Amino acid sequence: AQKITQTQPGMFVQEKEAVTLDCTYDTSDQSYGLFWYKQPSSGEMIFLIYQGSYDEQNATEGRYSLNFQKARKSANLVISASQLGDSAMYFCAMRGQGGKLIFGQGTELSVKP
Amino acid sequence: DAMVIQNPRYQVTQFGKPVTLSCSQTLNHNVMYWYQQKSSQAPKLLFHYYDKDFNNEADTPDNFQSRRPNTSFCFLDIRSPGLGDAAMYLCATSRDLLWQDNYEQYFGPGTRLTVT
Repeated sequence: AQKITQTQPGMFVQEKEAVTLDCTYDTSDQSYGLFWYKQPSSGEMIFLIYQGSYDEQNATEGRYSLNFQKARKSANLVISASQLGDSAMYFCAMRGQGGKLIFGQGTELSVKP
Repeated sequence: DAMVIQNPRYQVTQFGKPVTLSCSQTLNHNVMYWYQQKSSQAPKLLFHYYDKDFNNEADTPDNFQSRRPNTSFCFLDIRSPGLGDAAMYLCATSRDLLWQDNYEQYFGPGTRLTVT
């Protein structure tokens, strides 16, 4: 069975500082993809970043980077230079060889001015 | 341009009164998914279509049904909504079910269902 764990229900960060959101996963699949999504209060799910299990380099997309540690089964999201608009719910997700996307419980990030 | 469209954005229905939520896509993707997301919880996959093949999750109640009349449209039918079915319903699409599909799962804006 696949499982995604996000241990931080809520996080606070000061504007312009960096923040790390934790994600660990469990799977018996050899091949899988890891995703981070942002969900503002409006409800839409916004794709942020992707890491494939065979990718040797950590993924980066603008201010977002994914700290992928395969041996530890972790895929933490790092947001640099936080902005007020980053306040939202963040979900880590995994797609295994079955093709379905499984989500973690989410971390609510609040950016303080 | 919107690629996954959900209508309506907000739906109020009465206890026990059937309701249908709509999703359409302009991406020509093979796979369409329906997720249920209750307040402060993770999205929960209800079912998905791969082309015309319907795949139900084992724990999806019989009260939830789906139809996909063509590639572009997919409907979620709730036959007899209960108070516990109040949630955000998210539609998503992907080109395929491959684990390598990184940019290909797009979500719609969701329909927030209230049951009175």
